[in-house]
Formats: sequence, structure tokens, C-alpha cells
Amino acid sequence: RKEVEQDPGPFNVPEGATVAFNCTYSNSASQSFFWYRQDCRKEPKLLMSVYSSGNEDGRFTAQLNRASQYISLLIRDSKLSDSATYLCVVNPEGAAGNKLTFGGGTRVLVKP
Amino acid sequence: DAGVIQSPRHEVTEMGQEVTLRCKPISGHDYLFWYRQTMMRGLELLIYFNNNVPIDDSGMPEDRFSAKMPNASFSTLKIQPSEPRDSAVYFCASTDQPNYGYTFGSGTRLTVV
Repeated sequence: RKEVEQDPGPFNVPEGATVAFNCTYSNSASQSFFWYRQDCRKEPKLLMSVYSSGNEDGRFTAQLNRASQYISLLIRDSKLSDSATYLCVVNPEGAAGNKLTFGGGTRVLVKP
Repeated sequence: DAGVIQSPRHEVTEMGQEVTLRCKPISGHDYLFWYRQTMMRGLELLIYFNNNVPIDDSGMPEDRFSAKMPNASFSTLKIQPSEPRDSAVYFCASTDQPNYGYTFGSGTRLTVV
């Protein structure tokens, strides 16, 4: 089983709609969670950290479910500029670890 | 801040040649990571340094790959000899707080023919 698994998509989303997708992780000791965004032929960029209580940043909401070992990302009122690949990122080694493990990414295409 | 700077942006080389990729981390960041990205395998961690010391190189594919960090502002990833299967985008990333995420450079797109 991969350490971090994501549905590769693509998720085809009408502009203005809401889209949500999950990512599962295998190591229950994982403590740090992130969503990164990667545009085509660009570097990954940090979108948001994911906290235990869930967190929101504008139109983006991230949730963590430790019991089921998954994190989610919800995008409201999708914009054309939200089209990208969203990478789920986990620190699998807990507090003592410094390495981040990246999922394969979920591709989102927002269409007019 | 100029961010993480990588060079070259693109590299095309013939099989068997030596390739050197370069990275300048963000000033003050004492962690530096080298990742490789391919369509098949996604982003894979190759090696990371803390305070210029290699901490974990378990992701380095084989002896053909080597990485150095002679000082806090410079790191290299070398492939010798290069093979077509090394073709990928190589990213360098740095941070001062791993649990707060990394900042990536723009990457080097390597093609070995």
C-alpha cells in the first residue's frame, strides 16, 4: 500500500461549483498534513496546512480525519484559475520526522 | 526573497554523460531536499540535508547519483553516468521548519537521450 494515495482524477468542475476530494495515508503516526498545488510544468506550492480541527482559507476548506486516516480538500465557488493538480502531503514520521511524502496528485479542471 | 534557485532550468544530455544540477536554498533555511518527479512515480525524495550534513539518502536510486552541500547556500546533485531512465524533473526544496512545509525551486527538467 502506498503511504499517501489520491484519486488521480481528473475532476471536471463547472465554474462556480463545489468540488471535494480526499487523500488517504497509511501511517497512523503521521502528524503534519498539507495540501500543495502544482500547475502544469511548475513547481509544487503550499496551498494550506491541515489542522486537526479543520481549517479554512477563503474558498478552500481542509479537514483531517485521524480515525479513518484521510484528509480532504473542498473548493467552493470554483474559478478557472483553480485548475491544477492538488497534492496531498504527509509527514509520515510524526514529530521526529523531517521528510514529507507526496501523493500522486488529484487533477482538477474547472470549465466555463 | 529570491526563493529557491535551481539551475539549469532545462538540460538535455546524451546517455553516459555526467550531469550536475545546482540549488541555492532560501537564506536561513537549514534543511534542503532533493526530489525527483516523473509521471509514473510522482514526487520521490532522493536525499535531504540538515545544516549541510546529509541526513537521509535512502531515496537515492543507485551509486550513479551523488549529492553534496559544501555550504549553507549551495547544493549539487550529480548523475554519472546518466541514463535515459533518469529523465525527470528534479526539484530542490528548502525550509527552516519541516513541519510547516517546504518551498520548492522551479526545477530542472532533465532529458537523457
